[in-house]
Amino acid sequence: AQSVTQLGSHVSVSEGALVLLRCNYSSSVPPYLFWYVQYPNQGLQLLLKYTSAATLVKGINGFEAEFKKSETSFHLTKPSAHMSDAAEYFCAVSAPGSNYQLIWGAGTKLIIKP
Amino acid sequence: GAGVSQSPSNKVTEKGKDVELRCDPISGHTALYWYRQSLGQGLEFLIYFQGNSAPDKSGLPSDRFSAERTGGSVSTLTIQRTQQEDSAVYLCASSFDRTGEQFFGPGTRLTVL
Repeated sequence: AQSVTQLGSHVSVSEGALVLLRCNYSSSVPPYLFWYVQYPNQGLQLLLKYTSAATLVKGINGFEAEFKKSETSFHLTKPSAHMSDAAEYFCAVSAPGSNYQLIWGAGTKLIIKP
Repeated sequence: GAGVSQSPSNKVTEKGKDVELRCDPISGHTALYWYRQSLGQGLEFLIYFQGNSAPDKSGLPSDRFSAERTGGSVSTLTIQRTQQEDSAVYLCASSFDRTGEQFFGPGTRLTVL
């Protein structure tokens, strides 16, 4: 069975600082991995996804994530935070054994300090 | 083209009443998912439809919950005899196939008084 752990329900960074949101997964088969973002009062939007191609995945709005099999991690980063990045970020995993259902982390709320 | 739409956007109901939530997926998407998002929680999988196959209902929390998908397109999630713990945002997503990116609707916020 797959599972996802997001470390930190809230992460606070200063504008211009590095953003690092952590995601660890467990999966008995090679997974697909996703990061979604949910802006206040809006629906979920795909940021980026890993589907067994390049391990460093670039997404929208300057975000990227690196798949590290040895660490079972898929951390999300952005070199310089912007006020507009304030949102909730969800990591998710899917795999063939689960009918490709998305298994979700609990989410991390990113707070940007001016 | 149009994205996933859901209606109503907000629903307030009294405990014990039945509610129906509607989802219009993106045209041509064969997979459709229902999730529930409670305050401060991640997404909880409810049910999954893929083409004409039998739906995966493994996430439905009780027999008060049911869903159908007519003609491989529109889906309706029905909650019978609503309880206060059913209060949540119900999200629908669709994808081209079961491995593809899931596109989410804006959700229906259900409040059970």
